[in-house]
Amino acid sequence: GESVGLHLPTLSVQEGDNSIINCAYSNSASDYFIWYKQESGKGPQFIIDIRSNMDKRQGQRVTVLLNKTVKHLSLQIAATQPGDSAVYFCAETVSGNTGKLIFGQGTTLQVKP
Amino acid sequence: NAGVTQTPKFRVLKTGQSMTLLCAQDMNHEYMYWYRQDPGMGLRLIHYSVGEGTTAKGEVPDGYNVSRLKKQNFLLGLESAAPSQTSVYFCASSYSLAGGETQYFGPGTRLLVL
Repeated sequence: GESVGLHLPTLSVQEGDNSIINCAYSNSASDYFIWYKQESGKGPQFIIDIRSNMDKRQGQRVTVLLNKTVKHLSLQIAATQPGDSAVYFCAETVSGNTGKLIFGQGTTLQVKP
Repeated sequence: NAGVTQTPKFRVLKTGQSMTLLCAQDMNHEYMYWYRQDPGMGLRLIHYSVGEGTTAKGEVPDGYNVSRLKKQNFLLGLESAAPSQTSVYFCASSYSLAGGETQYFGPGTRLLVL
C-alpha cells in the first residue's frame, strides 16, 4: 500500500550547520510532494513543494530533492537557525485520490545553540 | 488576510456531548479539509469539501459530520463525543485539489473528551 514515512523521528543539529530531513514514499504514482513545518502549538506551515517532473527545487535556505528511482524525498535546510526548530512533515498526493494529501509522521528538528 | 481561522482554540467535553468546530477562510479557496492530529500519527483526513454544498469522506470519517453551507466556512460536528476523539483538529483550505495547489492550515482546535 501507499505510505509516506520519515527516516528519523528526531534530528539534532548545531546552529549554523546544514540539516537534511528525509522522507520515503511507496507509491510511484504520486506526482506532487509538499514539505510542511509545524511549530509547537501551531498548524502546519507550507515550506516548499515539488512535482514529480522535477528532481530539485530551491527556496530561501531550503532545497527539496526528489529521487523517483528510490522513491525518496529530502528537505535540506542551509545554515540552520534556532527558529528552524520544529516538526517537519512530508506529504504526497495519491494519484486518483481526489483532494487527499498523505502525511508522514514527522521529524522533529532540534537546533542546538 | 486572516488566512484560515478556527473556533474554538480549546474545548473540554464529556462523553456523549456534542459540539461544532468552525473553520473560516478568507482566501476564496474552493477546497476545504478537516484533519485530526494524534501523537506519532501525523495528520489524518476526516472529511473534505470541493465546493459550497458538497462534502466527502476522508480517511477517518466515523463519528464526525461536516457541512459547507457557505464557501468560506467549513463546520465539523461531533454528535456524541467519545474519548477516542481527543485530538488536535486542523482545518485547511486550498485553491484547488491537492496535486495542484498547496493546503493552508489553521492554528488548530485542541479537544479533550473525558
